[in-house]
This record gives sequence, structure tokens and C-alpha cells, in this order.
Amino acid sequence: GENVEQHPSTLSVQEGDSAVIKCTYSDSASNYFPWYKQELGKGPQLIIDIRSNVGEKKDQRIAVTLNKTAKHFSLHITETQPEDSAVYFCAASNFGNEKLTFGTGTRLTIIP
Amino acid sequence: EADIYQTPRYLVIGTGKKITLECSQTMGHDKMYWYQQDPGMELHLIHYSYGVNSTEKGDLSSESTVSRIRTEHFPLTLESARPSHTSQYLCASTDLGGRQETQYFGPGTRLLVL
Repeated sequence: GENVEQHPSTLSVQEGDSAVIKCTYSDSASNYFPWYKQELGKGPQLIIDIRSNVGEKKDQRIAVTLNKTAKHFSLHITETQPEDSAVYFCAASNFGNEKLTFGTGTRLTIIP
Repeated sequence: EADIYQTPRYLVIGTGKKITLECSQTMGHDKMYWYQQDPGMELHLIHYSYGVNSTEKGDLSSESTVSRIRTEHFPLTLESARPSHTSQYLCASTDLGGRQETQYFGPGTRLLVL
């Protein structure tokens, strides 16, 4: 089955700086890669996703890049703000499987 | 924000009690999921359902059971709660007819078994 590794497990960045979280996956058949943000006391919420037919996707301050050959994908957050502090999860799935395999999470703290 | 609801949000019970965690969604989604989230944050799939009268076990073995009698409702039951069941339980759903892969999560139920 699929295995997703996520690094780092904790990340602290100064407000205004950029944050990068990286994930690797094992199943070359995986073709859908979402990122979720979980704030304290809430369930995870989808913030951005990418399919295997594109290498990069951007939505305002967040972007995701995908390297299919190396089987890794990354979340980039620019101009970080205090409200970006949360736990971030990457995930991978094979279209039609409808089961997501999640990474172990990254606790991001933005230092004012 | 997704229309998926979980009750109760917090529950403290004694060992041996039977409990049911409720999950409802108003989006008409076919597939629903239950995850257990441990203190280390990792999400473990414990049950899922493709639709009414369908239930499947997930990747993590669980002593809980689920039922799917109505599309919108996917309750999880523990017949005899133990301290090892202390965790956060997250419900999610997916629209099989739309963006099949996107899972929408509820706010979670934080369970403490004494």
C-alpha cells in the first residue's frame, strides 16, 4: 500500500518569512495530492491540492509543487502570518481508490 | 465550510460504558469515513462506507462498529469503552459523483475514557 512521509514534524518561522513542508510517497500509481490545515479544536480543512498531470499549483500565498519522478511534493507558504499557525497534513491517493493516505503532520508556528 | 457535523464535541466517560459518536452531513455525499487521531497528530482510518448499508474496516484495527442506514448519517459505536479508546475521532465525507478525492472533515469528537 501507499506510504507517505512528511518532514519536518515541527517548524517555526518568523512572521513574514516562508515555510516549506515536504512529503514523499511510495506508490507510483498515486495521482492526487491534497494538503490539509488543522487548527486547534477543528477538523482538517483542504487548502490546496494537485493532480499528477501538473507540476505546480498556486493559490495566493500558498503553492504546491510535485516531482513525480522523485515521488515527492511540497507545500510552500510565503509571507507567513500568525493565522498560518496550525498543523498541516499532506496526503496521497490513487484516483478511484477514494482512500487518502496521510502524512504524519507538521506543526507550524509563526513567531510574531 | 463543509456541512458535516459531529456530536458530542467532547465526552468524558467511565470504563465499560457504551457510547455512540454521531456524524451527519447535509451534502448528500456517498462515501463517509471515520478516523482516529492520536496525540501525535497522525490520522488513522478506522471505518468507511460507500453508501447506505455499506461498511468497511479501515487500515487501523478498531474495536468500534459503524452503521449506515441513511446517506447522511454514519454513527460510530463503542460497546464497552476502555482508556485505550481515549482519542480524537474525526468523521469525513466525499462526493463520489464530484471531486471524488476531496474529503470534507467534521470538527471531531474528543473522547476521554477514565
